Amino acid sequence: EVLMTQSPATLSVSPGERATLSCRASQSVSTNLAWYQQKPGQAPRLLIYDAFSRAAGIPDRFSGSGSGTEFTLTISSLQSEDFAVYYCQQYGNWPPYTFGQGTKVEIK
Amino acid sequence: EMQLVESGGGWIQPGGSLRLSCAASGLTVSTNYMNWVRQAPGKGLEWVSIIHRSGSTYYADSVKGRFTISRDSSQNTLYLQMNSLTAEDTALYYCARGYYGLNVWGQGTAVTVSS
Repeated sequence: EVLMTQSPATLSVSPGERATLSCRASQSVSTNLAWYQQKPGQAPRLLIYDAFSRAAGIPDRFSGSGSGTEFTLTISSLQSEDFAVYYCQQYGNWPPYTFGQGTKVEIK
Repeated sequence: EMQLVESGGGWIQPGGSLRLSCAASGLTVSTNYMNWVRQAPGKGLEWVSIIHRSGSTYYADSVKGRFTISRDSSQNTLYLQMNSLTAEDTALYYCARGYYGLNVWGQGTAVTVSS
């Protein structure tokens, strides 16, 4: 099973600032990685797939990068609606699909 | 608009069984990769199972042998039959479409396993 580790657990950022979230896989998953956003009481929403492709309707302030075992989600200028929990998920070595434990982006 | 609506959750005693349903609209369950993902209270996401377009099924080790994923094309509905439930199965259960990223999610149905 591929273990996904996200850092940091919590990220405190001021609105308008840049946020950088990291995700590390215990073995290579190539670019088979997705990022999700989850707000309280809501289902997750797909942001990024294939490591850097934005899902439909996702603003271009969200970008993904990386391959192999190291991945990054960058939010270029945080808006109020971006404060949420973010999860990475690999689908390169499955079953099972595996998720990271999440990074909470909070208002500084 | 694509929509998934889960139902069938509730309170169940340990050792019991429950069947979850996920009714789809705007998409065809049988021609998509369909998943169940769960989230224990205050915890992260855990993938549970997938059924491929071909009908092949796969499970997380934590549920293998106890849970069965299936679909009904006539009802355009996805199911999760859950047997031998334990407290560790308590979670919000989501159905979701996708293979390279899960791009359509329902709102979830809550399962509580407790005596």
